[in-house]
Amino acid sequence: NAGVTQTPKFQVLKTGQSMTLQCAQDMNHEYMSWYRQDPGMGLRLIHYSVGAGITDQGEVPNGYNVSRSTTEDFPLRLLSAAPSQTSVYFCASSYRGQLSGYTFGSGTRLTVV
Amino acid sequence: DAKTTQPNSMESNEEEPVHLPCNHSTISGTDYIHWYRQLPSQGPEYVIHGLTSNVNNRMASLAIAEDRKSSTLILHRATLRDAAVYYCILRDVKELTFGKGTLLTVNP
Repeated sequence: NAGVTQTPKFQVLKTGQSMTLQCAQDMNHEYMSWYRQDPGMGLRLIHYSVGAGITDQGEVPNGYNVSRSTTEDFPLRLLSAAPSQTSVYFCASSYRGQLSGYTFGSGTRLTVV
Repeated sequence: DAKTTQPNSMESNEEEPVHLPCNHSTISGTDYIHWYRQLPSQGPEYVIHGLTSNVNNRMASLAIAEDRKSSTLILHRATLRDAAVYYCILRDVKELTFGKGTLLTVNP
């Protein structure tokens, strides 16, 4: 089924550990984004990409790195996990421009202890 | 970035229409109005979008004021499955900026 696939669905990290959240889409979407959602809050943009090789920072980029080597994949790296990064992470993708809606993945629930 | 204002919460009864309002007084001429919803423990789901004219799709209708400073998402017959947080977003070309949205409760 076409869509946005995120792995893993759940993860527990110790403070200081690093890890990569995976995101893949098979719809040939140019735009991809990472958001985090804290309890009772709306989504906040971490990083986004408008195409392979192009990334930019969103509202809350500190502590995260991204790269976009292919159209399909947009991994999010946590460099040194902190308890403040405990959150649900959503990846999303869209065709270029404002005429398309974003398709979201089902999320990764991350706990940092 | 242009911002939107939505009520924190609304209630509806099953099988009745629901009108979810959104104010966006600082909207620019090129901003598209997008609506998403988020069901409990799921990722956001695209609902509908528009620029100037009213729009209909299988999920909902979008009514846009003539001056574009407000819009209303219309669910014609609410079901229990429509209980969710609804986000009204002015889409920048590259990204979405989410507010806190409106929590819709549907009573049986």
